[in-house]
Amino acid sequence: QTVVTQEPSLTVSPGGTVTLTCASSTGAVTSGYYPNWFQQKPGQAPRSLIYSTSSKHSWTPARFSGSLLGGKAALTLSGVLPEDEAEYYCLLYYGGAFVFGTGTKVTV
Amino acid sequence: EVQLVESGGGLVQPGRSLRLSCAASGFTFGQYAMHWVRQAPGKGLEWVSSISWNSGNIAYADSVKGRFTVSRDNAENSLYLQMNSLRPEDMAFYFCAKGSFASGFDSWGQGTLVTVSS
Repeated sequence: QTVVTQEPSLTVSPGGTVTLTCASSTGAVTSGYYPNWFQQKPGQAPRSLIYSTSSKHSWTPARFSGSLLGGKAALTLSGVLPEDEAEYYCLLYYGGAFVFGTGTKVTV
Repeated sequence: EVQLVESGGGLVQPGRSLRLSCAASGFTFGQYAMHWVRQAPGKGLEWVSSISWNSGNIAYADSVKGRFTVSRDNAENSLYLQMNSLRPEDMAFYFCAKGSFASGFDSWGQGTLVTVSS
């Protein structure tokens, strides 16, 4: 069974920078896994932030960026705002099937 | 504006069945892949199933394979999830989402709660 692992929790000061990572139990994450990143706040549905590793939607704030880092997918938040406090999930594509990461709780 | 509205959730006994629906509007439904994602209360997201625009490609998570069936009616702009042999571990909010692996799951419904309990 494939497991996608994220940091359980991270804390960042307002205005600071934090990087979340997403690792696959099958090996290095590449662009072929089409990494997606989602933000979820309590009581709300998830909201897509990043798709295909680093592509942004029209609604994605510029302070969010996606990349590949050391064999993992990564989401970097720069100039963090209090409203960025949320749970963040990555999603990887395994040729027909998808697996969500375990989630990272970001505290600002 | 894209809207996805799930319905059909509720309380069901273990071993029974339930059918979820997702009504779509605000986009050309028949041109997009659709997905079901669930989240047990207080837990993380779990991908459940995906169906391509023409129903030609369908996939399921191992945890529901053989028990759940996804389908769609492009004429009715609707997505469905038939859930059979329900187990307590299937209890969760079920979300439908629009998009593909390349373009992302860009729109989500608000979810419908399925409770499996005797």
